[in-house]
Amino acid sequence: DAKTTQPPSMDCAEGRAANLPCNHSTISGNEYVYWYRQIHSQGPQYIIHGLKNNETNEMASLIITEDRKSSTLILPHATLRDTAVYYCIVNSRNQFYFGTGTSLTVIP
Amino acid sequence: KAGVTQTPRYLIKTRGQQVTLSCSPISGHRSVSWYQQTPGQGLQFLFEYFSETQRNKGNFPGRFSGRQFSNSRSEMNVSTLELGDSALYLCASSLGFPGTDKNIQYFGAGTRLSVL
Repeated sequence: DAKTTQPPSMDCAEGRAANLPCNHSTISGNEYVYWYRQIHSQGPQYIIHGLKNNETNEMASLIITEDRKSSTLILPHATLRDTAVYYCIVNSRNQFYFGTGTSLTVIP
Repeated sequence: KAGVTQTPRYLIKTRGQQVTLSCSPISGHRSVSWYQQTPGQGLQFLFEYFSETQRNKGNFPGRFSGRQFSNSRSEMNVSTLELGDSALYLCASSLGFPGTDKNIQYFGAGTRLSVL
């Protein structure tokens, strides 16, 4: 039932922008895209979500393509504390399908 | 306001026993979802309760069950424990309105269950 595809791992230099891609080609019209991250097997932490427009909050920006088949999470100035597994999720009927996520390592 | 609270944080059981895990959602949230996380299978959806009714169910055997009380607190039960049930069990609460902009799920810290 996985609805999203993400690269398994990425590295990013501290202070640079981290751009995490996600493909969700089977997304339906009213399904939102959510991004979460998980650090050291703690509970996943909400980052941002969107439907069709680009979104920005204090943590990150979310860019969704016009056809809604893919999105990119942008952490504008990555810090060492951003090292985590990032999950892109399509919310289908309130069921979150987490997929395998992207393990982001921020390098000093 | 207080976040999602899961108890206990750690649990050790033996094969064949049963276990009950508890989840207190954020005040005002009516939906509680449960997930199992293992190194091999990742995060998998177990079930969701909304206003005391199971609304969604994942692909898990009947040994896994749950319920929700009128105050939205939820419990999940696993009977006849197997070694493979060792996992981090996560609970998440939300307002419970899929297809809207008001459906962020907030996760608890989880209960780590070890089956010996």
